[in-house]
Amino acid sequence: SAVISQKPSRDICQRGTSLTIQCQVDSQVTMMFWYRQQPGQSLTLIATANQGSEATYESGFVIDKFPISRPNLTFSTLTVSNMSPEDSSIYLCSVGTTGSADTQYFGPGTRLTVL
Amino acid sequence: AQSVTQLDSQVPVFEEAPVELRCNYSSSVSVYLFWYVQYPNQGLQLLLKYLSGSTLVKGINGFEAEFNKSQTSFHLRKPSVHISDTAEYFCAVSDPRAGGGYNKLIFGAGTRLAVHP
Repeated sequence: SAVISQKPSRDICQRGTSLTIQCQVDSQVTMMFWYRQQPGQSLTLIATANQGSEATYESGFVIDKFPISRPNLTFSTLTVSNMSPEDSSIYLCSVGTTGSADTQYFGPGTRLTVL
Repeated sequence: AQSVTQLDSQVPVFEEAPVELRCNYSSSVSVYLFWYVQYPNQGLQLLLKYLSGSTLVKGINGFEAEFNKSQTSFHLRKPSVHISDTAEYFCAVSDPRAGGGYNKLIFGAGTRLAVHP
């Protein structure tokens, strides 16, 4: 399985600001995914990020609020823009391989608190 | 649309007792099934997965799960739990026929397993 790291591990931010979360993988992967886990809730997929193409967003999530970059096969960023307290969540990235087994491996998550 | 139901939000159990965490999914097609564990303040770790073949799947840390197609269930079991098994457990399903070159994971709401001494 891939080893995935995220930065920062946690942050406390002020309302109206933006935070960029980084996800680094120790091997090249085709698929990277970003999830949100609101307090006490399950995981919800925000978007899928493929290298060399625009991210694909799930219903309820928009690029202006959650811009994503995927500059290469080992790295991605998620920005949470113009934050409000409702954005307080754990944000997790995961990676998967195309076409086989379909198993996703998750990073440790970024715990975001918005005041 | 696919959905996953974890029937118990919390399961308290004493150490060394057996445990079963229940998961049902709704799908009319063949699916892939997964159990993940989330320890406090950590990300998700894959426990086990069912893709095809034997319906009894063994995973890490002594966990196993049984795929039952007629009941559309994928319950997780462990014969003897430890304090260290205290965590949140998530069942997830994906449709291998979904388009886009990847399989989107749909997660259940999670079951909090609390192991008491």
